[in-house]
Amino acid sequence: DVVLTQTPPTLSATIGQSVSISCRSSQSLLHSNGNTYLHWLLQRPGQSPQLLIYLVSRLESGVPNRFSGSGSGTDFTLKISGVEAEDLGVYYCVQGTHAPWTFGGGTKLELK
Amino acid sequence: EVQLVESGGGLVQPGRSLKLSCAASGFTYSNYVMAWVRQAPTKGLEWVASISTGGGNTYYRDSVKGRFTISRDNAKNTLYLQIDSLRSEDTATYYCAKAKLGRYFDYWGQGVMVTVSS
Repeated sequence: DVVLTQTPPTLSATIGQSVSISCRSSQSLLHSNGNTYLHWLLQRPGQSPQLLIYLVSRLESGVPNRFSGSGSGTDFTLKISGVEAEDLGVYYCVQGTHAPWTFGGGTKLELK
Repeated sequence: EVQLVESGGGLVQPGRSLKLSCAASGFTYSNYVMAWVRQAPTKGLEWVASISTGGGNTYYRDSVKGRFTISRDNAKNTLYLQIDSLRSEDTATYYCAKAKLGRYFDYWGQGVMVTVSS
């Protein structure tokens, strides 16, 4: 199975600060069809996960544009440009290129 | 509005069975791959099983093969997960998820808790 390694495991930020989360894959996530099925989820405390970004960099409808995704192959990054209080929670990367779906271990974003 | 509403969880003794349901609405259910993803207490997310649009193809993580059965009723817009021979390590919140393009989860239910304990 593909292993996704997220760093850092915990991130402390102040409101307005920009932060980045890394997701590194044990193998390339470029599918033979040319797509890269690497996505980002946010799980707020006590809630179910929600999709933020799909296909590396595409913003899901309704997600603020302070969130952005980038990367290719095995290295991917989620950036939040100006953290807001509602952004607190655990961020997960997830891949759908290689069966089975696998998730990163999560990055907890908390207020400093 | 897409809604996924799970039910059927609870406290169950080891070795017993449970059947989870997920009622879907707000989209053409029969057009989408569906999946179950679980989260053990204080742990991360783990894909459990998924099913093709027509139900003819099912997929399971190795640790649940032979014990879990995913199924769907497209007439009732409902997804199921039959869990047999429950183990303590199956204790988790189980989420129903809609898979767009069969490759990513764009909607999740609120989750249902399954606790396996004597």
